[in-house]
Amino acid sequence: NAGVTQTPKFRVLKTGQSMTLLCAQDMNHEYMYWYRQDPGMGLRLIHYSVGEGTTAKGEVPDGYNVSRLKKQNFLLGLESAAPSQTSVYFCASRQRPGGREGAFFGQGTRLTVV
Amino acid sequence: GQQLNQSPQSMFIQEGEDVSMNCTSSSIFNTWLWYKQEPGEGPVLLIALYKAGELTSNGRLTAQFGITRKDSFLNISASIPSDVGIYFCAGPTSGTYKYIFGTGTRLKVLA
Repeated sequence: NAGVTQTPKFRVLKTGQSMTLLCAQDMNHEYMYWYRQDPGMGLRLIHYSVGEGTTAKGEVPDGYNVSRLKKQNFLLGLESAAPSQTSVYFCASRQRPGGREGAFFGQGTRLTVV
Repeated sequence: GQQLNQSPQSMFIQEGEDVSMNCTSSSIFNTWLWYKQEPGEGPVLLIALYKAGELTSNGRLTAQFGITRKDSFLNISASIPSDVGIYFCAGPTSGTYKYIFGTGTRLKVLA
C-alpha cells in the first residue's frame, strides 16, 4: 500500500518557468491538500480539495493553481515560478474531517527556484 | 486569520528526560491534532483530540485538549534518541475542511 506519493522529489527551476507537482493517493480519500513548508513557518495550506472536481484556496494560494480531475490525483501547478516559491511542498489526504486517523502525508517535493 | 503558536521553538534535552510543549490559538478549536515530522519525511499523526479536557496517550506520549479550547499540550516521557524531530500541532479552521499547522517545536535528544 503506497499511501500518498509525490513526484518529483526534487526539482530546480529557473525564474519564470512552469511546472506541475503530482500527488497520488491509493486510499480512496475524499480530501486532499497541498502545503508548503518553510523554515520557522510550519506548514501553510496552499489549496485543498474536498472531492473529485472541486478545489478551494487555502492560506497562501497566490502563484499556484490546482486541479482534481480524478479522485486519486491532486495536481499543483506553478505557472511562472519565482524565487519566493522555493520551498518544500507536501501533499496530504484524509478520508473525512473528524476521523481519528488524521491526514496522511507524502514525502515532500523540494523545489528550488533560481 | 487564525494562528497556532507553539512553544518552545526548539528544545535540547538529555535522553531519559521528560518533555513538555504546548500550542495556543487565538480562537476556539474543536479538534487538536499532534504530528511528528522526521528529517526528510512528511508529518505523521501521533494523537488526535476531540473534546475539551480530553487526555489521550500513545505510548510515552500524552496529549491534552485544553479546557478553554484555545490550547493543547503534548508531553513525552523518558525521551529516547528516536524522539528527535519536529512536533506540530494542527487543527481545523472554522470551515472544518482546512487544517492549519503550528510553527513546530524542534526536539533534539542528546544521548
